[in-house]
Amino acid sequence: DSGVTQTPKHLITATGQRVTLRCSPRSGDLSVYWYQQSLDQGLQFLIQYYNGEERAKGNILERFSAQQFPDLHSELNLSSLELGDSALYFCASGEAGTGELFFGEGSRLTVL
Amino acid sequence: DAKTTQPTSMDCAEGRAANLPCNHSTISGNEYVYWYRQIHSQGPQYIIHGLKNNETNEMASLIITEDRKSSTLILPHATLRDTAVYYCIVRGGGTSYGKLTFGQGTILTVHP
Repeated sequence: DSGVTQTPKHLITATGQRVTLRCSPRSGDLSVYWYQQSLDQGLQFLIQYYNGEERAKGNILERFSAQQFPDLHSELNLSSLELGDSALYFCASGEAGTGELFFGEGSRLTVL
Repeated sequence: DAKTTQPTSMDCAEGRAANLPCNHSTISGNEYVYWYRQIHSQGPQYIIHGLKNNETNEMASLIITEDRKSSTLILPHATLRDTAVYYCIVRGGGTSYGKLTFGQGTILTVHP
């Protein structure tokens, strides 16, 4: 158990819809990282939040957005969903001193 | 961050040492070498990291060459549960330490 909690574990929806994925980081971690893993693109960094503020951005689509709340949990919002958005979405938090990341078990999104 | 090159796949017999190589010839002086693994669509798991000295922990050993252009992850006594994709990642420091660039990794299969 990494200490990072993600919900839901599985989600099936239709094209054009919007979904929200939720992540609770490990106790005491201020940073949250979102990653996407699809069959053709592999594991890709999407975005980082640190203590409520956006800190770094990767290959995140404009249809996707994220936020981190005062209690440090984070949400990744995916809108106008397309078939190609079907993927595993991972959240991670980490140790600032060691740089070690702890990943959640992921949310598997299927867009039909 | 520097790019890494790993073999696509490797096999190992259970109980033997698994030696996974990684080339990172463009690594710069302040960049660390990290190893993560991913077991069958679970969240990636941190294994070990190092800068220039060899490192050992309860999971593995990391050997970095003197010129730092390559490294080897050693699992001393591989078990069936070590079958996974192993990622070698090079990254710098800074506050976005969790912004990792995952390549294709090495699929390690441990045989009985």
